[in-house]
Amino acid sequence: KNQVEQSPQSLIILEGKNCTLQCNYTVSPFSNLRWYKQDTGRGPVSLTIMTFSENTKSNGRYTATLDADTKQSSLHITASQLSDSASYICVVGGDSWGKLQFGAGTQVVVTP
Amino acid sequence: DSGVTQTPKHLITATGQRVTLRCSPRSGDLSVYWYQQSLDQGLQFLIQYYNGEERAKGNILERFSAQQFPDLHSELNLSSLELGDSALYFCASSVDGSSYNEQFFGPGTRLTVL
Repeated sequence: KNQVEQSPQSLIILEGKNCTLQCNYTVSPFSNLRWYKQDTGRGPVSLTIMTFSENTKSNGRYTATLDADTKQSSLHITASQLSDSASYICVVGGDSWGKLQFGAGTQVVVTP
Repeated sequence: DSGVTQTPKHLITATGQRVTLRCSPRSGDLSVYWYQQSLDQGLQFLIQYYNGEERAKGNILERFSAQQFPDLHSELNLSSLELGDSALYFCASSVDGSSYNEQFFGPGTRLTVL
């Protein structure tokens, strides 16, 4: 069973609207949680990295939240743009060495 | 551009063959990771190297092997290829391999096994 679950699997939003993606994890021990953006056929690009002591982090129009008690994270996209169309992947770091647990991703499609 | 390079970009081969994928990490990064992403699948961690030594192993098949050379570039060898090995293979690098450090991903190698 995947230790990182993301929802929804996919969503379609209108350009200019906001959306929120969810991530639940069971990885233990937990050291950090990241959100990546992956365009089709390209390598993932990091959006945010949070440790257990952080509960929010922003990167432009992207804001991630983390509740380490409930083991939940969210990624909020504000004022979506067509270029936001991509897969958004939640990744949890557990080991001291960089073996990460990846969620299956949420496919976001922004339409004009 | 992440600074991580991978070659080749595309590779088409037949079942039973052997291929080698190459990765050069960002300048100054000591750790290299390999990932497999099959069609409609999430990224699967294969293996991690740090300064030439294997550090962590994931779901890597016995038919697959990797190494990191003294100049820190890495190669992933895939042998006795099967149709199911068709996937995108990503290499990533980080400064020291700690779970806290950001991993920078290369553009990937698309492998097609016919």
